[in-house]
Amino acid sequence: EAQVTQNPRYLITVTGKKLTVTCSQNMNHEYMSWYRQDPGLGLRQIYYSMNVEVTDKGDVPEGYKVSRKEKRNFPLILESPSPNQTSLYFCATWTGALGNEQFFGPGTRLTVL
Amino acid sequence: GEDVEQSLFLSVREGDSSVINCTYTDSSSTYLYWYKQEPGAGLQLLTYIFSNMDMKQDQRLTVLLNKKDKHLSLRIADTQTGDSAIYFCAGRVGQNFVFGPGTRLSVLP
Repeated sequence: EAQVTQNPRYLITVTGKKLTVTCSQNMNHEYMSWYRQDPGLGLRQIYYSMNVEVTDKGDVPEGYKVSRKEKRNFPLILESPSPNQTSLYFCATWTGALGNEQFFGPGTRLTVL
Repeated sequence: GEDVEQSLFLSVREGDSSVINCTYTDSSSTYLYWYKQEPGAGLQLLTYIFSNMDMKQDQRLTVLLNKKDKHLSLRIADTQTGDSAIYFCAGRVGQNFVFGPGTRLSVLP
């Protein structure tokens, strides 16, 4: 079954404590992306990756890091989380072929106290 | 860059038609998508339309695209309580997807 998985699904942490949200896909897609969803703002892209070891900033990259060492995994790293990073995070993957849509993970709800 | 706008809320009665509207700014958007997000879940693709099409119908869903006005709409016929969700419009330029803020559809019995 084609899947995008994210872990953890829910996380409550404190300011400054480093955390990683994992994303994994089994569809062999070249492209992967991280979004954050905030009420009234829709989805805003944080970072995306075109393939292994190739990443680029999206619209709201400040305070986040990513890596793409393997094609299937695209972890999101918050080195020093702050309360304004409290949000719902989605990982998405796609093939890059025109017309093909993005496939989304189930989301990770992060609260930073 | 692309900017996508949607109204934030829509309420309809069960059995009526729902029309969710979206406007976008980048005329070079090649594909436009409608995604549905149910509570506690990720986004799922409902339908999409290529920019050289005016209309696409898929069962209860009808997508209309007015390229001149950069306006996209999603019509859901015979709306059911299971259609209650947030609906996102998204434009695609190359590999860049830009999402609107989402329209929360509430279906009243």
